[in-house]
Amino acid sequence: EVQLVQSGAEVKKPGESLKISCKGSGYTFTSYWIGWVRQKPGKGLEWMGAIYPVDSDITYSPSFQGQVTISADTSTSTSNLQWSSLKASDTAIYYCARLSYVDSSGHLDFWGQGTLLTVSS
Amino acid sequence: QSVLTQPPSVSGAPGQRVTISCTGSSSNIGAGYDVHWYQQLPGKAPKLLIYGKNNRPSGVPDRFSGSKSGTSASLAITGLQAEDEADYYCQSYDRSLRSSGVFGGGTKLTVL
Repeated sequence: EVQLVQSGAEVKKPGESLKISCKGSGYTFTSYWIGWVRQKPGKGLEWMGAIYPVDSDITYSPSFQGQVTISADTSTSTSNLQWSSLKASDTAIYYCARLSYVDSSGHLDFWGQGTLLTVSS
Repeated sequence: QSVLTQPPSVSGAPGQRVTISCTGSSSNIGAGYDVHWYQQLPGKAPKLLIYGKNNRPSGVPDRFSGSKSGTSASLAITGLQAEDEADYYCQSYDRSLRSSGVFGGGTKLTVL
């Protein structure tokens, strides 16, 4: 059974750093991209970026380039999303999902449960 | 402002058919990229509903179907049921955004 299990909820202060994780199981972790998606409270889904774990090839959505860092560790089948200096506007649920390609564009076929990040002074 | 445009809300009575549109441009849907659809129930993670050229993952009923024409796509739901009440999102890629994935703004489906 394919599963993506994300780390737990976080409460942080502005300016702090953070890394959240997403551990894949039930499939060959190195054969699929992992995508990251943000959902602000009461709002829609936003594509942040994606990583191919085997060579750490990363694509960022222009809106998130320079704002976050996506990484992967094939030894633990884990992808990470990190911030060096959090802002209140980073408050959101962050989802990781497996990216599969069948036709001309990838789709997110299995999702993690989400990590709620609250940034408040 | 989302790259893909969806109506904020649609509604229908049980048993009816509803459609949700997803309008893009020549740099995304019109460039030939496939459109995928997700369902998000309240308080839950999104779930893949339709991918590629109208494919359904295992377990998704055939009441759900997708289509694409030109720079737009549509999700159709027939035989509407109370449990279909959820938010629905379309997703594709955009070559003007370094081929990054893009989502529609989402559509809230209300079953009357």
